[in-house]
Amino acid sequence: GESVGLHLPTLSVQEGDNSIINCAYSNSASDYFIWYKQESGKGPQFIIDIRSNMDKRQGQRVTVLLNKTVKHLSLQIAATQPGDSAVYFCAENSWSPDKLIFGTGTRLQVFP
Amino acid sequence: DTEVTQTPKHLVMGMTNKKSLKCEQHMGHRAMYWYKQKAKKPPELMFVYSYEKLSINESVPSRFSPECPNSSLLNLHLHALQPEDSALYLCASRDRGLQNTEAFFGQGTRLTVV
Repeated sequence: GESVGLHLPTLSVQEGDNSIINCAYSNSASDYFIWYKQESGKGPQFIIDIRSNMDKRQGQRVTVLLNKTVKHLSLQIAATQPGDSAVYFCAENSWSPDKLIFGTGTRLQVFP
Repeated sequence: DTEVTQTPKHLVMGMTNKKSLKCEQHMGHRAMYWYKQKAKKPPELMFVYSYEKLSINESVPSRFSPECPNSSLLNLHLHALQPEDSALYLCASRDRGLQNTEAFFGQGTRLTVV
C-alpha cells in the first residue's frame, strides 16, 4: 500500500509485484524529465528519462509515462526486487534557464 | 569514465572554520551543479555553472561561495556556516549539447556544522 509520512511518501510492495511511483511536476515549460534512484548514503542514480515529445519510454524492467495535460509522470517497475528498495525522485528540466528541479520523492520498500 | 568524484566524503566543521568541498569530472561536461539535500527531502539546487561561468545562483547565502577553476573542477567554499547548513552536498555534471541529457551525480559530501 501507499502512505504519506511526515515528508516522504512510502510505497510498500511484495517482491515480484509491479510498482508504480507517481510524480506531479509544476512547470508547464519543462521539456525533459528524469527518474533517479537514491540509496541510503549515496548520490542519485539515473534510471530513465523522457522528452516532452513522447508519452512513454521503456527501459529494462522500467517504464516511464508522461501526461503533459495534467503534468503527471509515473515510473513503473516490473517484477520488483529487494535491490529496488530506495528513494525515487522525478526531476523536471527546462532548457532556459538550465534548472534540474527534483520532486518530493517516494520511498519504495520491497518485502519478501 | 562516467564518474563524478566528490571529496571529502564526510566533513565536520565549526562555525568559525573555512573549508572547501571539491568535485571533479572527466566526461567533458560543460554544466556543473551544486545541490543541498536535507534528510528525507529532495536535492535542492544551489548553483549552476555553464562553460565555467556561474549562470544560476538560487539565492544562496554568501557564506557559500562556488568556484569553477576549469571545465573539470567545481569547488564550494564554506565560511561561517550555521548548524542548519548541515546536509548532504551533491555535485552533478551534464553535457550541454543540443538536447538535454541526464545529470550525473557524485556520492556527496556529508557536512556537519558544530
